[in-house]
Amino acid sequence: DAKTTQPPSMDCAEGRAANLPCNHSTISGNEYVYWYRQIHSQGPQYIIHGLKNNETNEMASLIITEDRKSSTLILPHATLRDTAVYYCIVRAYNNNDMRFGAGTRLTVKP
Amino acid sequence: SQTIHQWPATLVQPVGSPLSLECTVEGTSNPNLYWYRQAAGRGLQLLFYSVGIGQISSEVPQNLSASRPQDRQFILSSKKLLLSDSGFYLCAWSSQGSQPQHFGDGTRLSIL
Repeated sequence: DAKTTQPPSMDCAEGRAANLPCNHSTISGNEYVYWYRQIHSQGPQYIIHGLKNNETNEMASLIITEDRKSSTLILPHATLRDTAVYYCIVRAYNNNDMRFGAGTRLTVKP
Repeated sequence: SQTIHQWPATLVQPVGSPLSLECTVEGTSNPNLYWYRQAAGRGLQLLFYSVGIGQISSEVPQNLSASRPQDRQFILSSKKLLLSDSGFYLCAWSSQGSQPQHFGDGTRLSIL
């Protein structure tokens, strides 16, 4: 599976949009991009995933560049409860292993 | 909707004692099931996965084992725990193909 690169930490003001970047320059054609988050002492929570088209659900939007070498997770109106570690994972559809890296620690500040 | 349950939430065990962690899924049939371990400050390590009853694949050789006695039940076991078995154990389920894995709340295991 392709390796991902994320900034180690980011801050965001409460009520503003949080834009979390992820680089995956070696992504293959059959690999999807998944985003999870983990709040301390809890299991990872699935947020959103996509292959090449932009995706939106009730939690977030996922923007994937046309060459698929990078993506951005957007939390439109960040709240204090969105403070967590966010993980970008690239995985082929038939691979059972979700390889979580170090992620980005997002801190939402009042 | 689908839900996943893990218990216990925390566990403190002496070295050399046995282990049994249980995970059950509700609201779906024939899920893929997974056991992961997360060491403090580190990423998740896939330990076992199962695509059906009695079918277990091991990713990492160690003194842990897994079993799937029923379609929606996944058990992680050990006969004799080591200090290095301490960690945060997570169970997850998914349907087939590209669908995401959904995680339980985990069991924090401390070995003394």
